[in-house]
Amino acid sequence: EPEVTQTPSHQVTQMGQEVILRCVPISNHLYFYWYRQILGQKVEFLVSFYNNEISEKSEIFDDQFSVERPDGSNFTLKIRSTKLEDSAMYFCASSAGVARGNQPQHFGDGTRLSIL
Amino acid sequence: QQQVKQSPQSLIVQKGGISIINCAYENTAFDYFPWYQQFPGKGPALLIAIRPDVSEKKEGRFTISFNKSAKQFSLHIMDSQPGDSATYFCAAEGGANNLFFGTGTRLTVIP
Repeated sequence: EPEVTQTPSHQVTQMGQEVILRCVPISNHLYFYWYRQILGQKVEFLVSFYNNEISEKSEIFDDQFSVERPDGSNFTLKIRSTKLEDSAMYFCASSAGVARGNQPQHFGDGTRLSIL
Repeated sequence: QQQVKQSPQSLIVQKGGISIINCAYENTAFDYFPWYQQFPGKGPALLIAIRPDVSEKKEGRFTISFNKSAKQFSLHIMDSQPGDSATYFCAAEGGANNLFFGTGTRLTVIP
């Protein structure tokens, strides 16, 4: 079964440094998402991306965050200047269409980001 | 603002018993309600989902009950097994195609 793959599985970064989290969505999917999960808390939506542009973003997704689909297979999340509170598990997801059209979001196994 | 409220936070059930997890939502624009299962070190995996035009959906041992007027929905796991031990998240989506997750329920099924 096709799956969403994320790399690296664990990223340790000094506060203030830039970090790029990488995702390879399922190949025929058109919608891409980033979520985060702070340890022990719920999964929170960050951003959705469709047709090479952001379609929706949450309050968490401020100017420090950006997303990009640099080629036909990768989808990246960049944090420009990391803060301690950015430490979390970041999940990438993709879907073939909108969920209520029976096209659910499929999640990767996440990248654990630790900011020191 | 907590769009989706989930309870209980943790649940311990005997093997063969019924596990029940409840969720409530506020936004009447939500029109898709999935449940995700998450094992440690893994991402959430879609378990079952429902739209508000039906009151119940069953897939194997998993059933969603949906009460549109009360804005509540629940997951029932029949004949719970130790392999069902995981964290379960309800979620809701509407309009913007992004999911709002509940706070999760850690289910432990003891043999």
